[in-house]
Amino acid sequence: SQTIHQWPATLVQPVGSPLSLECTVEGTSNPNLYWYRQAAGRGLQLLFYSVGIGQISSEVPQNLSASRPQDRQFILSSKKLLLSDSGFYLCAWSVFEGQQYFGPGTRLTVT
Amino acid sequence: GESVGLHLPTLSVQEGDNSIINCAYSNSASDYFIWYKQESGKGPQFIIDIRSNMDKRQGQRVTVLLNKTVKHLSLQIAATQPGDSAVYFCAETSSSNDYKLSFGAGTTVTVRA
Repeated sequence: SQTIHQWPATLVQPVGSPLSLECTVEGTSNPNLYWYRQAAGRGLQLLFYSVGIGQISSEVPQNLSASRPQDRQFILSSKKLLLSDSGFYLCAWSVFEGQQYFGPGTRLTVT
Repeated sequence: GESVGLHLPTLSVQEGDNSIINCAYSNSASDYFIWYKQESGKGPQFIIDIRSNMDKRQGQRVTVLLNKTVKHLSLQIAATQPGDSAVYFCAETSSSNDYKLSFGAGTTVTVRA
């Protein structure tokens, strides 16, 4: 069966520090991969999605970037964090159009 | 822009009763809809989906109804249990949007014992 991993589970970082969140998927090949951010009490906002290695589409202008160095690995990064980057970050995968499965999420607090 | 929204932000239900969660969407091109359940501190969990060529689909204790005429989606949970307490999101997508999901703000369901 397919599984998706995210780490770390929680992270507290000072303003101006770098960020690297990792997501890996097991049990499937060539998945579509997604990064979402969820503010407290809100819905999910799509940040990036990828249909293959090295192929990244950005949905909103922001202080973040994404990379896909391997088929089942998706990384979310920032060179300098802002307070507004705080939130719950979720990675998701799909193998056909529409149905997406989510990871456990990373709670990021920028102080 | 077009978006997905939920009618009510909270729903309190007596254990054993049926729950109905509603969702309105505005993109007439949407052709695929999904309901997710999110427990506190966890990622959303897929519940059930429905395509625009259907108006009803049933799962285990859950039923999704789609009314394309009024652009309305609902999730019915039969015999609601304490474990059903969570935030429920509807999401919509379409081939014209590369099947990227758009989420509503969510409805918080609280089950009373």
